[in-house]
Amino acid sequence: DGGITQSPKYLFRKEGQNVTLSCEQNLNHDAMYWYRQDPGQGLRLIYYSQIVNDFQKGDIAEGYSVSREKKESFPLTVTSAQKNPTAFYLCASSQGPFYSDTEAFFGQGTRLTVV
Amino acid sequence: DQQVKQNSPSLSVQEGRISILNCDYTNSMFDYFLWYKKYPAEGPTFLISISSIKDKNEDGRFTVFLNKSAKHLSLHIVPSQPGDSAVYFCAALAILTGANSKLTFGKGITLSVRP
Repeated sequence: DGGITQSPKYLFRKEGQNVTLSCEQNLNHDAMYWYRQDPGQGLRLIYYSQIVNDFQKGDIAEGYSVSREKKESFPLTVTSAQKNPTAFYLCASSQGPFYSDTEAFFGQGTRLTVV
Repeated sequence: DQQVKQNSPSLSVQEGRISILNCDYTNSMFDYFLWYKKYPAEGPTFLISISSIKDKNEDGRFTVFLNKSAKHLSLHIVPSQPGDSAVYFCAALAILTGANSKLTFGKGITLSVRP
């Protein structure tokens, strides 16, 4: 079955360490996104990529980095520069830029906790 | 500054009655709106969308109404069922301006449907 997979589901990190969250999709989607969800904050866009080898900063990119070397993969690295990394991270993909019938498909999310 | 506002954080309705979830936006460039439903510890799933050229879109028990002059949209669920209990996110984007890769989400509304 086609879908978008995030791993791991739960992740613990010591303060000062970088950590990479995985996101893989087999939907043949061109566009991929990373969102962060905090209580009472909704979903905020971290980075997005419309095509392989290209990505743009979203609204809260500071302290994060991404790569898009393959169409199906869009890993997110939470660096030690991110001041409040504890959150629920959601990866999404879509066929391309949104058109009238296009939607974003989300992964199950990764809950990152900094200890 | 929140461009998509869901001012009521929660809503509780009786099973079988109508649920009305409201969403307001401030960016007049937004021309396409989506509703996503999210269960705890899962990624959001697409529910229904509406283009700004319409004022209503219906899909089964779900209807979305758009009032462009008021920059307001609402999601109606009729009849409400206990399985509808979830967090509902309103999202918007600006297709015509080319900023159609950035979904802007509201904070979400937690809907509880009482049996």
